[in-house]
Amino acid sequence: EVQLVESGGGLVQPGGSLRLSCAASGFTFSSYVMHWVRQAPGKGLEYVSGISSNGGNTSYANSVKGRFTISRDNSKNTLYLQMGSLRADDMAVYYCARRGRQWLVLDYWGQGTLVTVSS
Amino acid sequence: QSVLTQPPSVSGAPGQRVTISCTGSSSNIGAGYDVHWYQHLPGTAPKLLIYGNINRPSGVPDRFSGSKSGTSASLAITGLQAEDEADYYCQSYDSSLSGNWVFGGGTKLTVL
Repeated sequence: EVQLVESGGGLVQPGGSLRLSCAASGFTFSSYVMHWVRQAPGKGLEYVSGISSNGGNTSYANSVKGRFTISRDNSKNTLYLQMGSLRADDMAVYYCARRGRQWLVLDYWGQGTLVTVSS
Repeated sequence: QSVLTQPPSVSGAPGQRVTISCTGSSSNIGAGYDVHWYQHLPGTAPKLLIYGNINRPSGVPDRFSGSKSGTSASLAITGLQAEDEADYYCQSYDSSLSGNWVFGGGTKLTVL
């Protein structure tokens, strides 16, 4: 059974940093592209970032480019999102998701971790 | 403002049929990129409902169906059930945007 479990969320002050983790199990993690998607309170889903299976290629939404860094450790089956220069509009539930092999689709998602940005 | 446009809400009585539209542009749906649909209950993991415009993952009832035409796509739900009450999101790919992955703003389905 595919499982994605996010952790690392919490309260952080504006301008601060936080690192999110996503522990994967139930599939060959090193074979899949992985992504982060977020949902701000009362808002819809927003794409954040993605990383290739070997970590060599990454992509970011304009809203986080230069402030967030996605990475992965295939030996630990874990995806990361290092977030810096956090702003109030970064406050959201952050989901990690697996990209399907054939389609540009997110076929499995985690339950999310809440990031609160407030002084 | 989302790149893909969905109605904020739709509603229907149990047993009825509802549709949710998803309108894009020539750089995403109109460029031939596929549309996918997700069901999301607050506090839970979003669930893939339809992929590749019309395909259902195993375990998704055939009451759910998708279609695509031009720069738009639609999700239809027949035989509405109380458990269908959730938020629904369309998703595609946009060649003109950083990151490329785009979502609709979401549609809240209320089962009356």
